Amino acid sequence: GENVEQHPSTLSVQEGDSAVIKCTYSDSASNYFPWYKQELGKRPQLIIDIRSNVGEKKDQRIAVTLNKTAKHFSLHITETQPEDSAVYFCAEYSGGSNYKLTFGKGTLLTVNP
Amino acid sequence: DAGVIQSPRHEVTEMGQEVTLRCKPISGHDYLFWYRQTMMRGLELLIYFNNNVPIDDSGMPEDRFSAKMPNASFSTLKIQPSEPRDSAVYFCASSPAPLGNYGYTFGSGTRLTVV
Repeated sequence: GENVEQHPSTLSVQEGDSAVIKCTYSDSASNYFPWYKQELGKRPQLIIDIRSNVGEKKDQRIAVTLNKTAKHFSLHITETQPEDSAVYFCAEYSGGSNYKLTFGKGTLLTVNP
Repeated sequence: DAGVIQSPRHEVTEMGQEVTLRCKPISGHDYLFWYRQTMMRGLELLIYFNNNVPIDDSGMPEDRFSAKMPNASFSTLKIQPSEPRDSAVYFCASSPAPLGNYGYTFGSGTRLTVV
């Protein structure tokens, strides 16, 4: 996978509201889609991932959905809290000989108390 | 496991000086990646290794950058000579194979400032 588009680049929500971040990819062979959260001054950390044989995955307040036909996947955060404020990166991996993740440009999420 | 360990955490150097960044991957991880992060360009892959062998260095910006992995527990990224435009946060990450099951674990990064 060579290209991942991520939108929006910034997102501001009120505490308790939901937040949705969307990524599109171009390589139909892509089969693994992780999401990373990076707090200010910290390392990116894996928060959830999904594989191409699954359409949706949930972990408490976060969920990821995958639409292989449309080549897009989304991160959903419900009941947002101030500690959810961070930069979120999507990524994709298409396997084969190129063993690397391609990252989106990131979304700065701000949750206002 | 202490995770991926990078040193130094911060480095300030003068233009023209040599800079060496260090990384210790998680034990047992076969893959090691070097990324550079800036506001303008996001996370850029510079180079990655599999079992200590460089596989893809197409992201290395120019000959001033070099990376080595002499053994499974240590890698270096060297910039010589450094330039102000090299200022960025440099992350090392490691992963066990296969990637599709595990993703990356990142180190804490090295914030490089070249003045």
